Amino acid sequence: NFMLTQPHSVSESPGKTVTISCTRSSGSIASNHVQWYQQRPGSAPTTVIYEDNQRPSGVPDRFSGSIDSSSNSASLTISGLKTEDEADYYCQSHDSSNQVVFGGGTKLTVL
Amino acid sequence: EVQLVESGGGLVKPGGSLRLSCAASGFTFSTYSMNWVRQAPGKGLEWVSSITSRSDYIYYADSVKGRFTISRDNARNSLYLQMNSLRAEDTAVYYCAREIHSTVSFDYWGQGTLVTVSS
Repeated sequence: NFMLTQPHSVSESPGKTVTISCTRSSGSIASNHVQWYQQRPGSAPTTVIYEDNQRPSGVPDRFSGSIDSSSNSASLTISGLKTEDEADYYCQSHDSSNQVVFGGGTKLTVL
Repeated sequence: EVQLVESGGGLVKPGGSLRLSCAASGFTFSTYSMNWVRQAPGKGLEWVSSITSRSDYIYYADSVKGRFTISRDNARNSLYLQMNSLRAEDTAVYYCAREIHSTVSFDYWGQGTLVTVSS
């Protein structure tokens, strides 16, 4: 199996842009789609990106996802940061045996 | 409106058993794969198990294989997780999550039910 490694925390100011990375330890990041989930304190996760770069309905276009084969990583970019974006963000993928893998999570602080 | 409502959590002693339920509404439950994901207090998300729409394929995380059993009743629009031989490290909030068709990704999550394993 593989691991997905995320930075423990990131911080940025309102109105700015932040990027959260998710690096796959083995195998190609492009082998299986990557998803991103937002979890505000005390709440269940919600999906902000699926299939690498698709946004569910209702998710603002300030959220975007991408993958980079050269660094074997996926990224979640949030532009025009708002205080309401402050949350934990988790990347997720799966292996060829349909074992689901989550990253360790990144705490985003908007200050 | 899609709704997933978990129930059945509680306090159980090590070695004990518990059965979680997830009641689904607002969509055609019988056509979706479903999953259980857990989160230990202050920790990240950990996938537990998945089951396809007709229960023909079932998968488990290594950490629960042989102890947990996932099942579903499409007539009752319900998902279940039978948890046996519980350990302290199984203490977590357990979420059920709907899987987007053929993607191994989740679009809707329940609010979770807390399982505490302690003597």
